[in-house]
Amino acid sequence: DSGVTQTPKHLITATGQRVTLRCSPRSGDLSVYWYQQSLDQGLQFLIQYYNGEERAKGNILERFSAQQFPDLHSELNLSSLELGDSALYFCASSAGTSGGGETQYFGPGTRLLVL
Amino acid sequence: AQKITQTQPGMFVQEKEAVTLDCTYDTSDQSYGLFWYKQPSSGEMIFLIYQGSYDEQNATEGRYSLNFQKARKSANLVISASQLGDSAMYFCAMREDFGFGNEKLTFGTGTRLTIIP
Repeated sequence: DSGVTQTPKHLITATGQRVTLRCSPRSGDLSVYWYQQSLDQGLQFLIQYYNGEERAKGNILERFSAQQFPDLHSELNLSSLELGDSALYFCASSAGTSGGGETQYFGPGTRLLVL
Repeated sequence: AQKITQTQPGMFVQEKEAVTLDCTYDTSDQSYGLFWYKQPSSGEMIFLIYQGSYDEQNATEGRYSLNFQKARKSANLVISASQLGDSAMYFCAMREDFGFGNEKLTFGTGTRLTIIP
């Protein structure tokens, strides 16, 4: 158990809908990262938050947005869902310092299926 | 941009044998970090081992060791005395550092390891 929690574990929804994925980082970790794992694109970095602020950004679609709240939990919002958004979405956390460089520990993932 | 290459899509290894999973990387950065993660069939990503670019000694964690050859830009994972529970996907990853703690991981395509009893 990495100490990172994600809910829900599974999500089935229809095209055009909107969903919210939730992540709680390990106790004391300030940085949260979101990754998408799909069959065709592999593991792709989406976005990083540090202590509530957006930091590094990957090829995150405009239909996707994220935020990190004062209690450090994070949410990833996916809207206008398409079939191709079906994937395993991971949240990871690290201690987060100005120098960076800590190990990222991953949550169990949320498996999203868009029908 | 950084790139991670894992050339072995799948490997079959007899139980109790040692196994080496290959990973090569490409970066122009002087400071970087290399990671290996394990993904069992249940789906979670489990951190195994880390090697910093300035670390002179190869990293070891129990049965896992990282064979780091900086000049060849390779970071192979060695698992000694393999066990049935080692059957999983293994991903090599590199940390890309944008400064001030802004960073991301770039992953390879993975190697599926199957341990044969």
